[in-house]
Amino acid sequence: DAGVIQSPRHEVTEMGQEVTLRCKPISGHNSLFWYRQTMMRGLELLIYFNNNVPIDDSGMPEDRFSAKMPNASFSTLKIQPSEPRDSAVYFCASSLLAGGNEQFFGPGTRLTVL
Amino acid sequence: GNSVTQMEGPVTLSEEAFLTINCTYTATGYPSLFWYVQYPGEGLQLLLKATKADDKGSNKGFEATYRKETTSFHLEKGSVQVSDSAVYFCALSPGRDDKIIFGKGTRLHILP
Repeated sequence: DAGVIQSPRHEVTEMGQEVTLRCKPISGHNSLFWYRQTMMRGLELLIYFNNNVPIDDSGMPEDRFSAKMPNASFSTLKIQPSEPRDSAVYFCASSLLAGGNEQFFGPGTRLTVL
Repeated sequence: GNSVTQMEGPVTLSEEAFLTINCTYTATGYPSLFWYVQYPGEGLQLLLKATKADDKGSNKGFEATYRKETTSFHLEKGSVQVSDSAVYFCALSPGRDDKIIFGKGTRLHILP
C-alpha cells in the first residue's frame, strides 16, 4: 500500500486566497483525521471522520475552515479566505475504526500564507 | 478529562547514552498508550504501543511499560544513535472513539 497520500506537499499563497488540501487515506481505513502542526501550538486535531461522516469538528479554528469527505478514498480541507496565521504543516491520518488503533500519517502539506 | 504530559525538550545526548523521556497521563477508564516518532520533514509514525496495564511495548531498541499505578508510560532506550534524533510524542486513546490525545512532543538531539 502507498500509505496516506497528501497533496500538494508545499503550498505558498497570498492572504485572502482559497487553499484546498487533499488527502487519500489508506485503502480499507474508515477513520480519517486532519491535524495542524505549528511550533507555537504543537499538534492540533482539527476534525475527524468515521465512515465519511464528520464526528468531531471542535478543533476547526473558525468558519474559514471546512472539511469534506465525499467518499471513502478522498478528503479535502479548505481554507477560505486564508490568513498568514494559517501557515502551518497540515497532516492527514487514517486508521481502522475500532478505538485505540494506530493512526497512519501522511507526509503533510506545508502551507505558507504571505 | 483525558490528557498527556511529557517532559519538555530539547533533550541533547551523546551517542550511546541512555535515554529516558517521561510521560504521564490522565484518563478515565483503560486507555491504550502510544509513542509516536516524527523524523525531520515527515509525518508521525507509530514507534510502540501498549493496550493494558503492565504491558511493555518495544520497537527499534525503545521500550515503554504501561504503569497504571503511576499513570506513566516512560520511553527508554539503552544506547541511542544519531539516527534517533527526532521528535517523540506520547499519546493515549481513551478507546471510546478513535481520537488520539497527543502530548506536546519532545525533541531529541543525539550528538556523534
